[in-house]
Amino acid sequence: QTVVTQEPSFSVSPGGTVTLTCGLSSGSVSTGYSPGWYQQTPGQPPRTLIYTTNTRSSGVPDRFSGSIVGNKAALTITGAQADDESDYYCVLYMGGGNWVFGGGTKLTVL
Amino acid sequence: EGQLVESGGGLVQPGGSLRLSCADSEFTSFRTYALRWFRQAPGKGLEWVSSIGATGNIYYADSVRGRFTISRDNSRNTLYLQMNSLRADDTAAYYCAKGGSYDFGSWGQGTLVTVSS
Repeated sequence: QTVVTQEPSFSVSPGGTVTLTCGLSSGSVSTGYSPGWYQQTPGQPPRTLIYTTNTRSSGVPDRFSGSIVGNKAALTITGAQADDESDYYCVLYMGGGNWVFGGGTKLTVL
Repeated sequence: EGQLVESGGGLVQPGGSLRLSCADSEFTSFRTYALRWFRQAPGKGLEWVSSIGATGNIYYADSVRGRFTISRDNSRNTLYLQMNSLRADDTAAYYCAKGGSYDFGSWGQGTLVTVSS
């Protein structure tokens, strides 16, 4: 069974830039997996940030960007702010209507 | 985009059933969206559960196939999830979302399902 991998945790300084990644236990992530990124703060529902690799959802600031870096999908946050401190989940489309989430990355801004 | 509101969660015994609902306050374009259910066990990550497309195509995660049934009523702007043969590992917050083919779009606030004797 293919596992979607993410860094368990990451930290960034206020105003800094951070890149979170989303990989596969076997193989490479490509645009064909339509990677998406979702932000969730404690006690709140997830919020859609990015879909189909690099399309920002409505209302998402342009300091959030998505890409493919090497063999992984990536979410880059430029000019990190205190309220970016959240859990970030990537998701990949596995075909046949099936979606698989990564385990999430807990981002700390300090 | 309107607001999604889930309901129907609660405490149920193993083997029991629940029906979740997800009502959309936007009345104009509900039928054009793909609708999905997700869940999140306490302290755990997100899991996709089921999808129903605008044209009615339906998909399920292996973990719920044969036990859960997704449906939509476009006249009521409502998405449903009928959950049968519930198990302890179905305990989670359940979220609905409406979006495009590859975009989960907007999410509801969630409803908590607890399966316990």
